[in-house]
Amino acid sequence: GEDVEQSLFLSVREGDSSVINCTYTDSSSTYLYWYKQEPGAGLQLLTYIFSNMDMKQDQRLTVLLNKKDKHLSLRIADTQTGDSAIYFCAETLNYGGSQGNLIFGKGTKLSVKP
Amino acid sequence: NAGVTQTPKFQVLKTGQSMTLQCAQDMNHEYMSWYRQDPGMGLRLIHYSVGAGITDQGEVPNGYNVSRSTTEDFPLRLLSAAPSQTSVYFCASTPYGESYEQYFGPGTRLTVT
Repeated sequence: GEDVEQSLFLSVREGDSSVINCTYTDSSSTYLYWYKQEPGAGLQLLTYIFSNMDMKQDQRLTVLLNKKDKHLSLRIADTQTGDSAIYFCAETLNYGGSQGNLIFGKGTKLSVKP
Repeated sequence: NAGVTQTPKFQVLKTGQSMTLQCAQDMNHEYMSWYRQDPGMGLRLIHYSVGAGITDQGEVPNGYNVSRSTTEDFPLRLLSAAPSQTSVYFCASTPYGESYEQYFGPGTRLTVT
């Protein structure tokens, strides 16, 4: 069945770049997403990429998509302590024929050290 | 717009009790869904609705009921709470369109003793 895999932890120093990786299984996914969750809060959409794109850049965020390897990455440039959070990769899931459902990875906890 | 609101924020139940988690959105989104988040498990889809009057099961529907009588509201009912339902519950809404971006509520933290 569909699955989304992410490493659970990443630790970087303030000012460095962070790269969070994700692999997914459903090659028919139309969109792939990165969500951010701060402690005690809900999920906030950071960015998404359409499946026919290889790269998307949005200010400090760069998303790379390798469809052949089903690999998605999120790069955060100049990482700040405010970027400390859990980052979830998600793909659209054709559950019951609805493209609105998502399947999430378990999340990568990013810790930024000053 | 208030976005997606959920009540209550916290709830403690005894095994066997019933309760309803409320979810409302004021963005006129057709699609709404409920997820549960457990430590180390990510989010898992419980139930979803593609519009008023239409609901369907997600990945982990057992022990939960939903209804969608209006576009705005999508309550989640626990008929007989069990400790395995201790979790954080998130409601989300999505406008049908290009990116299917999901807007999440702040969550309800439920403990069943």
